Amino acid sequence: DAGVTQSPTHLIKTRGQHVTLRCSPISGHKSVSWYQQVLGQGPQFIFQYYEKEERGRGNFPDRFSARQFPNYSSELNVNALLLGDSALYLCASSLAVGVGYTFGSGTRLTVV
Amino acid sequence: GESVGLHLPTLSVQEGDNSIINCAYSNSASDYFIWYKQESGKGPQFIIDIRSNMDKRQGQRVTVLLNKTVKHLSLQIAATQPGDSAVYFCAENISGGGADGLTFGKGTHLIIQP
Repeated sequence: DAGVTQSPTHLIKTRGQHVTLRCSPISGHKSVSWYQQVLGQGPQFIFQYYEKEERGRGNFPDRFSARQFPNYSSELNVNALLLGDSALYLCASSLAVGVGYTFGSGTRLTVV
Repeated sequence: GESVGLHLPTLSVQEGDNSIINCAYSNSASDYFIWYKQESGKGPQFIIDIRSNMDKRQGQRVTVLLNKTVKHLSLQIAATQPGDSAVYFCAENISGGGADGLTFGKGTHLIIQP
């Protein structure tokens, strides 16, 4: 069975640009969460979606947005990129909110 | 400050020895705890979890201990192998209503010496 898949694996963007990251959850999982992991730190929670609705949001600016599609896949969008947005962006899927999170390998975003 | 933390940034153990990685949490409402292993260039990999109605749970070569009185969590790895080298994170959550997602600590880098 396929795990959580994320695309692209690596990405380089320029300050001020926007970026869209994609995530496909494990088959049957209805919840998708997004995390930002800066080098040398633990992942930080950005968003959680369940059944296409936002169920939780971390302490990130409005430049960050996300959505979940009817097939439960998800996109994370970041506008007006800053150098500090450079990080590994992780997607996690789970059957429901609050338990059993499985992570993908992430998208490495570099902002120059 | 972070909710989950208290760790040795780097822990070095001899191959074959047991290792213990510690973690403290501050949110008394948290009732679900997970240990993840993260290898370089990969996402966190689930190791073992425990709910607050338990104080010990065992898996294959791993044991998680939960002390709710002092809000402390530990991961014990028996007979460490070279493949155990990685960064280990503890994470906490409020199950069922975890709209705030997982809260991670900064992690402990486990190095296995040959």
